[in-house]
Amino acid sequence: EVQLVESGGGLVQPGRSLRLSCTASGFTFGDYAMSWVRQAPGKGLEWVGFIRSKAYGGTTEYAASVKGRFTISRDDSKSIAYLQMNSLKTEDTAVYYCTRVSHGGNPEAEYYFDYWGQGTLVTVSS
Amino acid sequence: SYVLTQPPSVSVAPGKTARITCGGNNIGSKSVHWYQQKPGQAPVLVIYYDSDRPSGIPERFSGSNSGNTATLTISRVEAGDEADYYCQVWDSSSVHVVFGGGTKLTVL
Repeated sequence: EVQLVESGGGLVQPGRSLRLSCTASGFTFGDYAMSWVRQAPGKGLEWVGFIRSKAYGGTTEYAASVKGRFTISRDDSKSIAYLQMNSLKTEDTAVYYCTRVSHGGNPEAEYYFDYWGQGTLVTVSS
Repeated sequence: SYVLTQPPSVSVAPGKTARITCGGNNIGSKSVHWYQQKPGQAPVLVIYYDSDRPSGIPERFSGSNSGNTATLTISRVEAGDEADYYCQVWDSSSVHVVFGGGTKLTVL
């Protein structure tokens, strides 16, 4: 059974940093691209970014709203994906979901999310 | 950047058919994926590649995509189908994932 478990959320002041972790199990983690999606309170889903598998270079893509502030990384030996969030703003307050992309990063394939974690809440407030 | 437009809400009586639309410029040339999100829960993939269903998703859920509109159709609607539904595409030109704003389905 595929499981994605996020951790690391909490209350943080504007301008500070926070790192989220996503621990995966039930599949060969290294074969898949991994992504983060967030949802502000009472709002819709917003894609944050993804990291391709090592087979596709382990490269990353980000939404414009977080590019330059957020960094996604992965440790395939531990089956963990990370979201490093720097220079946090109040508008970054959201539930952050870890998701599995349907493939490793094939440029000819569609990107959609076949498994989701339960999410972790990040609150940015002074 | 590519924009997806969904109606904020759709209402349907139990046993009837609900249709939730997702509009985008020439969306028929893209593949559309749909997610269901019940209150307090994480989203669940219900349709991928316009009309394919993951295992465990009832046949009552179907999808279509043509022209400027993709549609998620839920037949014989049940109270348990009440949820928010989001469409999503992959915009290869910008290398970005795009979500629609979501539609709240209310079962009367």
